[in-house]
Amino acid sequence: DTAVSQTPKYLVTQMGNDKSIKCEQNLGHDTMYWYKQDSKKFLKIMFSYNNKELIINETVPNRFSPKSPDKAHLNLHINSLELGDSAVYFCASRRDGVNAEAFFGQGTRLTVV
Amino acid sequence: GDSVTQMEGPVTLSEEAFLTINCTYTATGYPSLFWYVQYPGEGLQLLLKATKADDKGSNKGFEATYRKETTSFHLEKGSVQVSDSAVYFCALSGSGGSYIPTFGRGTSLIVHP
Repeated sequence: DTAVSQTPKYLVTQMGNDKSIKCEQNLGHDTMYWYKQDSKKFLKIMFSYNNKELIINETVPNRFSPKSPDKAHLNLHINSLELGDSAVYFCASRRDGVNAEAFFGQGTRLTVV
Repeated sequence: GDSVTQMEGPVTLSEEAFLTINCTYTATGYPSLFWYVQYPGEGLQLLLKATKADDKGSNKGFEATYRKETTSFHLEKGSVQVSDSAVYFCALSGSGGSYIPTFGRGTSLIVHP
């Protein structure tokens, strides 16, 4: 049983399109994240969300928006895609508590052409 | 703000060689420290963690000790295998009340037979 699952695994789309990436976790965690990994493997936090609070990295363009229909899901919507959005996007979840580790999905490789 | 600094890669070793990947951090208070591993085409997974000063985390032959005096958490393995080839990330969380995991830039390890 996959703990954190993302769909799709690969996404190729044209500039200007709007797309969504879905994320689901079956671990009962309260907090979920979206990270962007660039071609040099650098991981940048985009959003942190639990059922009480959304924390947005201020450097993330407002074309990106997280949507959480319930505690187990945190989807990522991207409007007006640009070439620079090409990257691997990872969803992760974590239980509350200072010592808890994050659990990651397999990633979604987004290519904007 | 919090930050994690890792040695730049790639690190290239022969099988059975000794591995050290350096990691130092800057944080408020007493964070928990983690090493994650990312195999090609996969998400990150926890390798080991330590939650307080002088704790040693260990898993699959890898070890790291939480050194508060030097703000370090270096990863070591006595004898690497080809299957250890991956990207390794040092991370922290729980600093100053923030539970958003902060990652280093990752260090690629390549092990040759």
